[in-house]
Amino acid sequence: QVQLQESGPGLVKPSGTLSLTCAVSGGSISSSNWWSWVRQPPGKGLEWIGEIYHSGSTNYNPSLKSRVTISVDKSKNQFSLKLSSVTAADTAVYYCAREGFGELSDAFDIWGQGTMVTVSS
Amino acid sequence: SYELTQPPSVSVSPGQTARITCSADALPKQYAYWYQQKPGQAPVLVIYKDSERPSGIPERFSGSSSGTTVTLTISGVQAEDEADYYCQSADSSGRRVFGGGTKLTVL
Repeated sequence: QVQLQESGPGLVKPSGTLSLTCAVSGGSISSSNWWSWVRQPPGKGLEWIGEIYHSGSTNYNPSLKSRVTISVDKSKNQFSLKLSSVTAADTAVYYCAREGFGELSDAFDIWGQGTMVTVSS
Repeated sequence: SYELTQPPSVSVSPGQTARITCSADALPKQYAYWYQQKPGQAPVLVIYKDSERPSGIPERFSGSSSGTTVTLTISGVQAEDEADYYCQSADSSGRRVFGGGTKLTVL
C-alpha cells in the first residue's frame, strides 16, 4: 500500500522560501503516476499547486507558477516543493498527493497526512 | 478563470438523503471527482469520473452529472458522514480546480 509523508520546516519567514519533501513508501515514484502538491489555508478550501512525473515533466497552477518549483529525486523515492517569496497568505496545510492511473487517472487517490506551514517573522 | 461552485452547507437528518451540487462555469466540463474531508484529516476520494466509486467506499455514496453540474448523493446518511466535501475537476489547460467545499451537517 503506497503511503506519502510530508516533511519540512513548520515556520518560514516572510520573503523566504518554503521547502517541503514528500517521501513515497510502499511503491515507486517511477510508476505511471503524476505526483501533486495541494494546500489548504486554515479554515479554507483546497488549492492545487502543481504536479510532476518521474521524468521531471511538470505542470503548475498559473496563479503560483512564478514562485513554484517541483522536483523529483528518484534515488530517494521522493518529490519536493519549493515556493519562493512567501507571505502570510501562503500559510496553510500542505499535502502531497498521488494522481491515480488508468481508471483513476486525474483523481487524487492517495494523500499524505499534511504538514502545517506558517509564514511569520 | 474556471470555477466550481458548491453550496457552503447542507444539513440532513440521519437516514435521509443528502445531495451536494457542484456547478462549473464553462463548457466543456471535464470529469469531476469528490473528496470527503473530516476535521484534522486529509481528503479521501469518494467518487471519480463523475459517478464511479473507489473500492472501500460505501454504496450509499453515488455521483451523477447533468450538463455542467455534478451531484454527490449520500443515501441513508449516517453520523459518520458529517464532513466537508469538495468537488474537483480541470480546466481546458489541465489546471486542477477545486470547488469551495460544502459542510455536511447530520442533524
